[in-house]
This record gives sequence, C-alpha cells and structure tokens, in this order.
Amino acid sequence: GQNIDQPTEMTATEGAIVQINCTYQTSGFNGLFWYQQHAGEAPTFLSYNVLDGLEEKGRFSSFLSRSKGYSYLLLKELQMKDSASYLCAVMDSNYQLIWGAGTKLIIKP
Amino acid sequence: GAVVSQHPSWVICKSGTSVKIECRSLDFQATTMFWYRQFPKQSLMLMATSNEGSKATYEQGVEKDKFLINHASLTLSTLTVTSAHPEDSSFYICSARESGDNGEQYFGPGTRLTVT
Repeated sequence: GQNIDQPTEMTATEGAIVQINCTYQTSGFNGLFWYQQHAGEAPTFLSYNVLDGLEEKGRFSSFLSRSKGYSYLLLKELQMKDSASYLCAVMDSNYQLIWGAGTKLIIKP
Repeated sequence: GAVVSQHPSWVICKSGTSVKIECRSLDFQATTMFWYRQFPKQSLMLMATSNEGSKATYEQGVEKDKFLINHASLTLSTLTVTSAHPEDSSFYICSARESGDNGEQYFGPGTRLTVT
C-alpha cells in the first residue's frame, strides 16, 4: 500500500530552527510537495521536490532523497505565524497526490 | 501565482436540502480538478477527481449519487451535496491542476458546510 509518515506534532521556540521529516512509500514517484495549512483554511503551497537535494526558499528549505523515500522541511528563524500544520504529499505514478496526516507545529515565545 | 476561487466560502443549510459549491480557476485552464473533504484535525481526504468533459472518478466510499460533480468547462467545476445530513458538515476544498499531467495543483480557499 501507499503510505506517508510524518510526526503528529512538534513544538519549537520563536527564532529557532525546526525540521519536519516525512517518509513515504508509494507506487511510483512524480515529486513531493510540502503545504502549510492554518486552522480553518485550505493548504497553501510551500515547495516541490522531484530531484534529490535541497531547495531553499527564504526561511523555508525542503530536502529530498528518493533512494531513502525521505524528505524534510526546514524552517528557520521561526515566527509565531509559522504555527500551522505542515502537510507532506507525494505525487504517485498516476499523478495523484497522496497526503500525509500533517504535522502540527506549535511555536512558543 | 495561479488562483483558484471557491464559492460560497461558508454555507449553512438544513437537513435534506442540496448545496452547490463552485470551484473556478481564475487565470489558467484546469483540465483536472480535485475535490477534497477535511474533518476537524484530520488530513485532507480526496473525494473525487474530475476531468473536463468526462465523468468524475470517485474514491472508494464516496457516494457518487450524493456528491454530484460537474466539470463542464476548463475553468469551472461544481460539487453538489444532495440531501445533506449533519454528518456531511465539513470543510470542502477544491484544487485545480494546470493542463499537463505534472502541472502543479492550486488549492481553493475552501468552503465550510454546516448542516443543521
């Protein structure tokens, strides 16, 4: 079966760095997405990785290792507004998104 | 970036009535649109995939006669919840994919449905 695993909840301090991991097992791979979702809102796109390596976008970076079925989202200089759920999703061989359950990130002052 | 709109953003209806939710891609053509449902504190669950001009493909466990999907144009898909029940109360989100299999998905803002 297809499976996406990510931690249920993480806590970090304002100004610090946090890494959210995602491991996956899917039938085929056509890229991995990270989305941010604030409570009561739809997810917003953060990053897309299809090749191994690190993609940096401002305070957010995303890493992919296809051989290990592993990705992480790195958030630097955390701000209170970063408190949200972070969803990992993999596009399978049928170009459908398989979603993880999301990681709730709590930022403390 | 590409924009997907949904209307209405929230709706309250009585049990037994039907509700239509519209999803529009505002500045791009979407051959494929997806409808998701999200219950509180749970992940998005794909309900169905619709391709313009053809019948929607429903995920297992989703009643196609209850959740009617129409994708009549490259910029509009509608989801109609028929004979709504309180357990249908949820957050419904659509997303649209640009033409081409590996086009990026853009999400609408969501519609919060409450059935009383």
